[in-house]
Amino acid sequence: DQQVKQNSPSLSVQEGRISILNCDYTNSMFDYFLWYKKYPAEGPTFLISISSIKDKNEDGRFTVFLNKSAKHLSLHIVPSQPGDSAVYFCAASGDGGSSNTGKLIFGQGTTLQVKP
Amino acid sequence: GAVVSQHPSWVICKSGTSVKIECRSLDFQATTMFWYRQFPKQSLMLMATSNEGSKATYEQGVEKDKFLINHASLTLSTLTVTSAHPEDSSFYICSAARGAVNYGYTFGSGTRLTVV
Repeated sequence: DQQVKQNSPSLSVQEGRISILNCDYTNSMFDYFLWYKKYPAEGPTFLISISSIKDKNEDGRFTVFLNKSAKHLSLHIVPSQPGDSAVYFCAASGDGGSSNTGKLIFGQGTTLQVKP
Repeated sequence: GAVVSQHPSWVICKSGTSVKIECRSLDFQATTMFWYRQFPKQSLMLMATSNEGSKATYEQGVEKDKFLINHASLTLSTLTVTSAHPEDSSFYICSAARGAVNYGYTFGSGTRLTVV
């Protein structure tokens, strides 16, 4: 049961254009969402996060949008740069149980390629 | 910033032997550490959650007797893969949390385990 899904395994955009990475989730109890960037053979690095009480969070070139009714979030990168080429994972937290373990559930990842 | 050191970065071992992977938080005390496994082109799958001084909580399907987790201090957690087999070959990543998820999780750089 894949609770967090990234249905696009790959995305290719031209340098300077916008990159939009999508993520869907099924568990309505998730209350915190994060995006991570990962290079091969390295651990993920945190990019940006959003709480379920918000619908948008912006940090420089990165903006995350959350649509709770659709159980969908997206990461916008603008303008895209060749150095942004990596695998991007969305993750969700908050199982709504009696004790929030804080564990993250990851999507499958989307490989972004930004062409010069 | 928060730094998590994970060692070794890669290891090759013979089938039937045991391998220990260390995860250290260098500049903060980690109340909780998580261990993930990633197979090629797949998502990061949570294996277990460990809190200092208590037994780890394993995810469904993860053998606790095979993947021994010790969280002896607030800065060190170890994962020991016992009697490793080729199917255990994977990329193992730890992450450390200072508190609730919105304080951020920091990931180690990962360990590539190859069992021959």
